[in-house]
Amino acid sequence: EIVLTQSPATLSLSPGERATLSCRASQSVSSFLVWYKQKPGQAPRLLIYDASNRATGIPARFSGSGSGTDFTLSISSLEPEDFAVYYCQQRSNWPPTFGGGTKVEIK
Amino acid sequence: EVQLVESGGAVVQPGESLRLSCAASGFRFDDYSMHWVRQAPGKGLEWVSLINWDGGTMYYADSVKGRFTISRDNSRNSLYLQMNSLTTEDTALYYCAKAATTSPRYYFDYWGHGTLVTVSS
Repeated sequence: EIVLTQSPATLSLSPGERATLSCRASQSVSSFLVWYKQKPGQAPRLLIYDASNRATGIPARFSGSGSGTDFTLSISSLEPEDFAVYYCQQRSNWPPTFGGGTKVEIK
Repeated sequence: EVQLVESGGAVVQPGESLRLSCAASGFRFDDYSMHWVRQAPGKGLEWVSLINWDGGTMYYADSVKGRFTISRDNSRNSLYLQMNSLTTEDTALYYCAKAATTSPRYYFDYWGHGTLVTVSS
């Protein structure tokens, strides 16, 4: 199965700063890479699908890029509600697998 | 509005069984595959099982194969997970998740709030 490695494990930033999160796949997933956001006590929420497509209702400050094995989720200017854990997931190969998550915390 | 509401979580002993349910509303339930995804306390997400739109195809993670059975009742817009021979490794919050598309390359656009399964002696 494809292993997804997210880095860093924790990102400490202030509101208004730019966040850059990485997800690396153990083999190519083409563009079949998805990002979710999870706040404490809440279910994951779909952010980005197929590497760069924002899901319905997701603000434009969220953007995704990459293909093959290296992907990036960027948040252009952090809002208070953006401090959360972010997971990537590949949907290229069976079974679907998730990365270990990156926690974006307030500095 | 899409809603997924899980139920059935409990505290059980190792070796016991449990049946989880997920009630769906707000979309054409029988158009989409449905999944269970779990999250152990303080850990990441693990895909567990899927059932296709008509219940004719099921897949399982290796960690639960042979012990868990997924099913659905499209007349009741409901998804189920029968969990047998539970171990402490199965302790987790279990989410019901809707496939985002009808493509067999799965990702999830709606999730329930989860139901907690604790396996402890």
